[in-house]
Amino acid sequence: DSGVTQTPKHLITATGQRVTLRCSPRSGDLSVYWYQQSLDQGLQFLIQYYNGEERAKGNILERFSAQQFPDLHSELNLSSLELGDSALYFCASSVFGGNSGNTIYFGEGSWLTVV
Amino acid sequence: QQQVKQSPQSLIVQKGGIPIINCAYENTAFDYFPWYQQFPGKGPALLIAIRPDVSEKKEGRFTISFNKSAKQFSLHIMDSQPGDSATYFCAASWRGGGSQGNLIFGKGTKLSVKP
Repeated sequence: DSGVTQTPKHLITATGQRVTLRCSPRSGDLSVYWYQQSLDQGLQFLIQYYNGEERAKGNILERFSAQQFPDLHSELNLSSLELGDSALYFCASSVFGGNSGNTIYFGEGSWLTVV
Repeated sequence: QQQVKQSPQSLIVQKGGIPIINCAYENTAFDYFPWYQQFPGKGPALLIAIRPDVSEKKEGRFTISFNKSAKQFSLHIMDSQPGDSATYFCAASWRGGGSQGNLIFGKGTKLSVKP
């Protein structure tokens, strides 16, 4: 158990809908990352937050947004969902942000299926 | 520039064999190279990591070999066991502006160790 908690574990929704994925980082970790894993694209970095502030953006679509709250939990919002958004979404956390070599711990992911 | 290329895509070995997974990168600013192990239904978990100032690192049955001039690194699993059957991802990160230590992942290698 990495200590990173993600909910829900599985989610099925229709195209055009909006969903919210939730993440609680490991105790003491200030940085939260969101990754998308699909068969054809592998693990793609979406966005990173550090202590409530956005730190880095990767391949995140404009239809997607995230935030980190004062208690350090994070939410990833996915809107106007398309079939191609079906994937496994991982949250990860680390103690610091901005330091290469910081161990990043992953949750078990949220499976999103768009039908 | 920011890609990490991983091969092979899949690998089957007999128990006791030594599977080798290779990764190559272009960005010379990368300064941290971790390997992650992922079992079905689980999130990636850090296995072993190396910095470019060393050429080899061993942890138990897992060894990373690093060739800075060739910009390549590889994972060797000694005396492989059926329990090592998983997907392995190489990754890289750097301290550069905007990166914040985020991991760039290879596409993964699905390893199957036959009893």
